[in-house]
Amino acid sequence: EPEVTQTPSHQVTQMGQEVILRCVPISNHLYFYWYRQILGQKVEFLVSFYNNEISEKSEIFDDQFSVERPDGSNFTLKIRSTKLEDSAMYFCASSAGTGVYNEQFFGPGTRLTVL
Amino acid sequence: GESVGLHLPTLSVQEGDNSIINCAYSNSASDYFIWYKQESGKGPQFIIDIRSNMDKRQGQRVTVLLNKTVKHLSLQIAATQPGDSAVYFCAEKVGYGGSQGNLIFGKGTKLSVKP
Repeated sequence: EPEVTQTPSHQVTQMGQEVILRCVPISNHLYFYWYRQILGQKVEFLVSFYNNEISEKSEIFDDQFSVERPDGSNFTLKIRSTKLEDSAMYFCASSAGTGVYNEQFFGPGTRLTVL
Repeated sequence: GESVGLHLPTLSVQEGDNSIINCAYSNSASDYFIWYKQESGKGPQFIIDIRSNMDKRQGQRVTVLLNKTVKHLSLQIAATQPGDSAVYFCAEKVGYGGSQGNLIFGKGTKLSVKP
């Protein structure tokens, strides 16, 4: 069964450093998403991406964040200068279509720890 | 602001019993509701969904009920098994404007199944 994969599973970084979180969406999917989950809290939407551009972003997704699809398979989230409060699980998701009724498939997540 | 929330943070049931997990939502414009299961160290996994023009939908051992009058959503798990132990999230999508892709998650209920 096709699945979304993410690397690394755990990333530890120093405050102020740049990190890149990587995702490989399901191969025939066209819509990609990043969510984050701070420990013990709910999953929060960050950004959606389609046709090589951002479709929608939340208030959390400020200028420190960027997304890219550098090739035909990877989808990345970059945090330019990490802060302590960026520590969270980051989930990538993909869907075949957009619109209200399209299921999003989630990856296993990357745990980001900022020291 | 409008949000999706859960009544009970934890639920403990005996193996074989039925489980009911509840969720309240406040956005009357929401068109689509999804229940996700999240096991430890994994991403959210789709369980079942329901559209706003329905009030009940059944899957394998799971049933989702939607009461739009009181803005309440529930997930019923029949004959709960130890493998059902996880955190369960409700999520909503709003089918208007540009917000057709991102999910709004509730905080989660932890289900523990005692053998």
